[in-house]
Amino acid sequence: DTGVSQDPRHKITKRGQNVTFRCDPISEHNRLYWYRQTLGQGPEFLTYFQNEAQLEKSRLLSDRFSAERPKGSFSTLEIQRTEQGDSAMYLCASSLERGGSYEQYFGPGTRLTVT
Amino acid sequence: KNEVEQSPQNLTAQEGEFITINCSYSVGISALHWLQQHPGGGIVSLFMLSSGKKKHGRLIATINIQEKHSSLHITASHPRDSAVYICAVRINTDKLIFGTGTRLQVFP
Repeated sequence: DTGVSQDPRHKITKRGQNVTFRCDPISEHNRLYWYRQTLGQGPEFLTYFQNEAQLEKSRLLSDRFSAERPKGSFSTLEIQRTEQGDSAMYLCASSLERGGSYEQYFGPGTRLTVT
Repeated sequence: KNEVEQSPQNLTAQEGEFITINCSYSVGISALHWLQQHPGGGIVSLFMLSSGKKKHGRLIATINIQEKHSSLHITASHPRDSAVYICAVRINTDKLIFGTGTRLQVFP
């Protein structure tokens, strides 16, 4: 399968712990996006990368959140000192930006539960 | 007020019915997406459009840029169409702004 993959699919952690999620985009996709979705709501933009450069970060992304895409391929999203309000589905998407092609392909998401 | 509003929030239908989901937005956009999300979270892109109308199988999406409104239609609905349908708009920074979704249940 050559779609967007995310790992882990589910994560349960205790408040105060650090967690890290990984996203592997579709091969050769130069854009990678992170979104967060809470129950009953639509996804909200967190950040995105063009290759290895992080181009924009949402105000939702507090200092406890950090995202990287060191080689322009996979990306990691780390949450430090997790809080119960961080419980959500974290979605990753990728796209190939090449003169107007904008379709974003989504991964299955990582569901985080903070107890 | 959300930048992207969808209606209705919940929709039930009998198999075979024609379904319409509406999306209104208040910002300038470069494209509008219709997405489908099944239980468990996976999101599938149905349409991306910036003008006019697109059709794929039993699904039709239309957009009116002047009125800042889009509709998703499902003809001859089927229980397997049951899902959450999400409208998302792409703004000039290329990120997506999402509506809260419309939960559709189609009963046999």
